[in-house]
Amino acid sequence: GAVVSQHPSRVICKSGTSVKIECRSLDFQATTMFWYRQFPKQSLMLMATSNEGSKATYEQGVEKDKFLINHASLTLSTLTVTSAHPEDSSFYICSARGLAGIDTQYFGPGTRLTVL
Amino acid sequence: QQQVKQSPQSLIVQKGGISIINCAYENTAFDYFPWYQQFPGKGPALLIAIRPDVSEKKEGRFTISFNKSAKQFSLHIMDSQPGDSATYFCAASRAAGRRALTFGSGTRLQVQP
Repeated sequence: GAVVSQHPSRVICKSGTSVKIECRSLDFQATTMFWYRQFPKQSLMLMATSNEGSKATYEQGVEKDKFLINHASLTLSTLTVTSAHPEDSSFYICSARGLAGIDTQYFGPGTRLTVL
Repeated sequence: QQQVKQSPQSLIVQKGGISIINCAYENTAFDYFPWYQQFPGKGPALLIAIRPDVSEKKEGRFTISFNKSAKQFSLHIMDSQPGDSATYFCAASRAAGRRALTFGSGTRLQVQP
C-alpha cells in the first residue's frame, strides 16, 4: 500500500517560535494533500487542502497566515505553524491522494506539537 | 454543522463477538464512504470503503452495510479480537474521494479477552 511519512513525529517548542512539519508521499505522486488537526479524544478536523503548484485552500476559521502550507512537489507538502502559542498544541496529520482515478487517501503517522 | 454523525461513542465487546458502529450523513453529494482505524498516537489507517452503488462490501472480518435511502452506513467487525481495540472513524467525501474527508466523531472500541 501507499506510504505517507511525516517529520518530525514529535516537536516541542517555545511560544512565539515557528515550526515546520513535512508530509511526504514515499511511493506515489500526490496531486492533493490534506492537512488535519486532531485534539485529544476528538475527531479529525480539516484545516486545508493543498494541490501541487497552487495555493492551499483553507477551511473557514483557519488562519492562512498562521498555518502556512506549501506543496512544491508531487511528493512533499509542508505545514509551518508561525508564532506558535500553547493553544496550537495538537496532533497534526496529513493525508495524500494520488493521481486521478485513485480515491483512497493515505494518512501520515501524525506530528504531535507541544507549545510551551 | 456535523455532516456525519457516528454512534456509539464507545463500545465494549467480548472477544469473538460482533462490533457494530453506525454512521449517518446529511449531504447527498457524498459518494465515497471509508472507515478508518486509529491507534493512540498514530495516523488513521484505511480499513474498508464503499461507494453508494452497492449495499454491502466485505473484506475479511470487516463489512460495510450501506443504506442510501436512509443515508446511513455501518461497520461490522466479526469475530472481534483484542487487537481490534482502537478508535474507529467513519468518513464521507464527494467527487469519488477526490475531496477532503468529513469525519464522524469516532468510536472507541474495546474488545475484552
